[in-house]
Amino acid sequence: EVQLVESGGGLVKPGGSLRLSCAASGFTFSSYSMNWVRQAPGKGLEWVSSISSSSSYIYYADSVKGRFTISRDNAKNSLYLQMNSLRAEDTAVYYCARDTGFAFNPWGQGTLVTVSS
Amino acid sequence: DIQMTQSPSTLSASVGDRVTITCRASQSISSWLAWYQQKPGKAPKLLIYKASSLESGVPSRFSGSGSGTEFTLTISSLQPDDFATYYCQQYNSYRWTFGQGTKVEIK
Repeated sequence: EVQLVESGGGLVKPGGSLRLSCAASGFTFSSYSMNWVRQAPGKGLEWVSSISSSSSYIYYADSVKGRFTISRDNAKNSLYLQMNSLRAEDTAVYYCARDTGFAFNPWGQGTLVTVSS
Repeated sequence: DIQMTQSPSTLSASVGDRVTITCRASQSISSWLAWYQQKPGKAPKLLIYKASSLESGVPSRFSGSGSGTEFTLTISSLQPDDFATYYCQQYNSYRWTFGQGTKVEIK
């Protein structure tokens, strides 16, 4: 079964840092691009960042560029999101999602990041 | 960035109704469009990709159509399990963008 499991969320103060992880199983992780998508409380979906299978291509939304860093470790079947200089508006559930080339499928269950003093 | 606009934002319907949700792109995206269903507290689930291809395991009452800038998601006969929020997503440009969502409520 294809599965994605996020971890690392929590409460952090404005200006702080957090590192999210996404553990993949049930498929050849090194063959797929991966993404982070977030959803603020009561709001819609916002794409955050993408990384290609070999990490050659990396993209960020303007809202996080310069503050967030996506990375992956294909040997560990893991995806990461290093989040620095966090702001209140970064509060959201963060999902990792596999890129099939046509859509994001599947998605993990999400991990909640709360930025508050 | 390509903007995606869904309508309506909220839709009230009854079990058995035919439901149509529209998604418009700010520029042509060919058929690079996906539809997702999300229930409260859960991750989004892929329903349709490439505008009209049904994801494996998704009931056939769901269908998608359109190309270019205008797309529709149709539920032919609404079932109790279908009350949820639906999102479109463009897959034409690497800055993937989503519509704002359409909440399908019980009438």
